[in-house]
Amino acid sequence: GAGVSQSPSNKVTEKGKDVELRCDPISGHTALYWYRQSLGQGLEFLIYFQGNSAPDKSGLPSDRFSAERTGGSVSTLTIQRTQQEDSAVYLCASSLAQGVEAFFGQGTRLTVV
Amino acid sequence: TQLLEQSPQFLSIQEGENLTVYCNSSSVFSSLQWYRQEPGEGPVLLVTVVTGGEVKKLKRLTFQFGDARKDSSLHITAAQPGDTGLYLCAGITGDNFNKFYFGSGTKLNVKP
Repeated sequence: GAGVSQSPSNKVTEKGKDVELRCDPISGHTALYWYRQSLGQGLEFLIYFQGNSAPDKSGLPSDRFSAERTGGSVSTLTIQRTQQEDSAVYLCASSLAQGVEAFFGQGTRLTVV
Repeated sequence: TQLLEQSPQFLSIQEGENLTVYCNSSSVFSSLQWYRQEPGEGPVLLVTVVTGGEVKKLKRLTFQFGDARKDSSLHITAAQPGDTGLYLCAGITGDNFNKFYFGSGTKLNVKP
C-alpha cells in the first residue's frame, strides 16, 4: 500500500481481556517499529523488527506485551490481560532500513474500561 | 529522563507571527527528524537532517541541525492556522540504530 496501515483505528476493551493490534507496513520496508503515545505526549518506544526478527524488545513494558512479524511484512502487537494503564494510542512505523527515516500509520486508540 | 528535550511545551500565537521550537540533548545524533502530528493522526515526517550545521527549508519552515549534532531548531515564519499541531523531534544515536528517541513535543496553536 501507499502508506502504513493500522487496524483497528479504535478499540474499546474490558479490563482483563486480550487485544491484538495490526500493522501493515509500506511494501519493501524491512524495519518496523511499535511506539505508544499517551494523551498528546511524546512517543514511547516498544519494539523494533528487522525483517521477522525483533533484535530490540527493550521497550515492552511487561510480559503481557508481545509482538510478532510474519513474512517480513504484517506485524501484530498483542496485549494480554489488559489494564487501564494500557490505554493509549499505539503507533506503528516502518522504514526502508534500520536507522533511516520512519513513516507512521494513523495509530490504534486503545481504551481499557 | 528524556534523551531529547523540546521547548517550549506549549505555544499559542496569532497568525502571521514567527516562532522557534528547540530540540536539545547532551547526546550526539547521527540523524534527526522533525514530525508534525494532528489530533487522531500519526506523526507525519517533515524533514531529516544528518550533517552538523545543516539547514533545510520547507516553504515557511526552516530546520537547523547544530554543529555538534546534539540539537536542532525549527523556525516557522508567518505562522498560519494550518500550522497548528504537535511538533516532535526524533533522533537516532550512533550506538543504537534500533530506535528513534522522541522529544515530548511542542503543541502549537495558531489563532486566526
